[in-house]
Amino acid sequence: KAGVTQTPRYLIKTRGQQVTLSCSPISGHRSVSWYQQTPGQGLQFLFEYFSETQRNKGNFPGRFSGRQFSNSRSEMNVSTLELGDSALYLCASSLGGTGGDLDGYTFGSGTRLTVV
Amino acid sequence: GENVEQHPSTLSVQEGDSAVIKCTYSDSASNYFPWYKQELGKRPQLIIDIRSNVGEKKDQRIAVTLNKTAKHFSLHITETQPEDSAVYFCAARLSGYSTLSFGKGTMLLVSP
Repeated sequence: KAGVTQTPRYLIKTRGQQVTLSCSPISGHRSVSWYQQTPGQGLQFLFEYFSETQRNKGNFPGRFSGRQFSNSRSEMNVSTLELGDSALYLCASSLGGTGGDLDGYTFGSGTRLTVV
Repeated sequence: GENVEQHPSTLSVQEGDSAVIKCTYSDSASNYFPWYKQELGKRPQLIIDIRSNVGEKKDQRIAVTLNKTAKHFSLHITETQPEDSAVYFCAARLSGYSTLSFGKGTMLLVSP
């Protein structure tokens, strides 16, 4: 089966601009979670979407937002970019179960965002 | 939310030695603990996981142990090889939630 697809792989933006990243999960997976990865900070949770609804949210400012479409594809948007937003943004696909059907994430390859 | 602490941040071993990475979690309601390996420039990949009703799980050279009382779990790699060099992340999931909380990672370097 196809893996998790993130586009684009690389982006260079200037401060103040906005950016949209895309993630297509594994077929049949309804949950998409977004993480920001920076050196020394590990994987910081941004938000999770399940069946087109934001189900969980991390401690990021409102400049970070997302959405999910009916085909489970998800986008995240960052407005008014700051230098500190430079990072690898990873999305993770899963079945999204919260009961006994525990499953791990399958990550995409990420989008490397550089803000100059 | 869940808070996961991971130690050490870096670990250097000689090929053939064992490596141990330890994580602690804050909420006793966590019930799922996966480990991910991220090679340089690649995506994190699940290598092993354990559920709260199990104390230990092995898969060839890797094993994970869970101590629910102490709220810590560990990754053990035996007979390390240079291709084990990577960043390893532990994670925990609260019961009733699907979100994973990650530790900050351990960079493992295996020298030939």
